[in-house]
Amino acid sequence: DAKTTQPPSMDCAEGRAANLPCNHSTISGNEYVYWYRQIHSQGPQYIIHGLKNNETNEMASLIITEDRKSSTLILPHATLRDTAVYYCIVRLLQGAQKLVFGQGTRLTINP
Amino acid sequence: SQTIHQWPATLVQPVGSPLSLECTVEGTSNPNLYWYRQAAGRGLQLLFYSVGIGQISSEVPQNLSASRPQDRQFILSSKKLLLSDSGFYLCAWTPGFHEQFFGPGTRLTVL
Repeated sequence: DAKTTQPPSMDCAEGRAANLPCNHSTISGNEYVYWYRQIHSQGPQYIIHGLKNNETNEMASLIITEDRKSSTLILPHATLRDTAVYYCIVRLLQGAQKLVFGQGTRLTINP
Repeated sequence: SQTIHQWPATLVQPVGSPLSLECTVEGTSNPNLYWYRQAAGRGLQLLFYSVGIGQISSEVPQNLSASRPQDRQFILSSKKLLLSDSGFYLCAWTPGFHEQFFGPGTRLTVL
């Protein structure tokens, strides 16, 4: 699975959009991009995934660049409850579907 | 709907004592099951995964073992705990597609 690079921490004001970047320059053509988040003392929570096209669900939007070497997770209207560590993971959709977590981005939403 | 349970929620054990952590999934059949560990200040590390009853794959050599005696039951064990076994243990399952769902976790402290 391709390696990902994320900033260690970010801050965002409550009510504003939080934009979390992820670099995955070695991604292969059939690897998906996944985002999970982990709120303190809880298990990770799946947010969204994508392959080539931009994706949106009730939690967030995922923007993948045309060359697929980077992506951005967007939380459109951040709330205090969005404070968490956000993980960007790249993997193939096959096999045992193991997740390899990096250090992620610690997002703090400020009132 | 599907639910994942882990117990106990917290555990304090002396060095050299045995360990048994249990994970069960409700509302699904033949899930892929996973054990992860998060040591203090470190990222999530996959320990074991299972694609079926009696089928266990180990990701890292360690003092722990896993078993899957029933379709929806995954057990993490140790015969003799080490200080380095302390951490937050998370069980997860996937129905075979994109999302992986995590349990509430067990916080283990080895003294």
